[in-house]
Amino acid sequence: AQKITQTQPGMFVQEKEAVTLDCTYDTSDPSYGLFWYKQPSSGEMIFLIYQGSYDQQNATEGRYSLNFQKARKSANLVISASQLGDSAMYFCAMRDVTGGGNKLTFGTGTQLKVEL
Amino acid sequence: DVKVTQSSRYLVKRTGEKVFLECVQDMDHENMFWYRQDPGLGLRLIYFSYDVKMKEKGDIPEGYSVSREKKERFSLILESASTNQTSMYLCASSIPTGVGSTQYFGPGTRLLVL
Repeated sequence: AQKITQTQPGMFVQEKEAVTLDCTYDTSDPSYGLFWYKQPSSGEMIFLIYQGSYDQQNATEGRYSLNFQKARKSANLVISASQLGDSAMYFCAMRDVTGGGNKLTFGTGTQLKVEL
Repeated sequence: DVKVTQSSRYLVKRTGEKVFLECVQDMDHENMFWYRQDPGLGLRLIYFSYDVKMKEKGDIPEGYSVSREKKERFSLILESASTNQTSMYLCASSIPTGVGSTQYFGPGTRLLVL
């Protein structure tokens, strides 16, 4: 069965520093996609970044990058130059063929707090 | 920009009431989803729909039903609300192109059942 594990329930980082949010996954499918979402206190889930299992390079989107280590089944999110507005809940999610290509399996999330 | 809207941000209902949560998307997406979010459990899929009048159960469908009469609208129905259905409900939509298709979410409805 598909599974996503986020082992850090909460993280603190100082403004302008980089932070890594951990995510490991488990699937037996060779084709899958990994996603990161941000959820501010307002509640809306905001899509941040996507990595496909066959992508050769790590995905990047502005200050977000995904450290994809396929052999270790990890897909950590790196946020560079943290800002106060980055304070939010972050979810890692996976979509694979076993789920019919439709279902996203989510981790339990990491609450990030950016401090001055 | 993809826009997914949900009929209410906050809702308070009594045990036994029938509750309708509405979701509308404006991007002509085939797929629509209902999740519930609880602290420490992440998001769990209740139902999804891949076409009008088509639906499939997710991981936790018990106590819920859905309706999709038009492509842009997907409704979640609690036939007889119970206190354990107090939760945050999130709707999402996507195009059906396999594992790389991004799901776009609405703002969520926080439901309290008394």
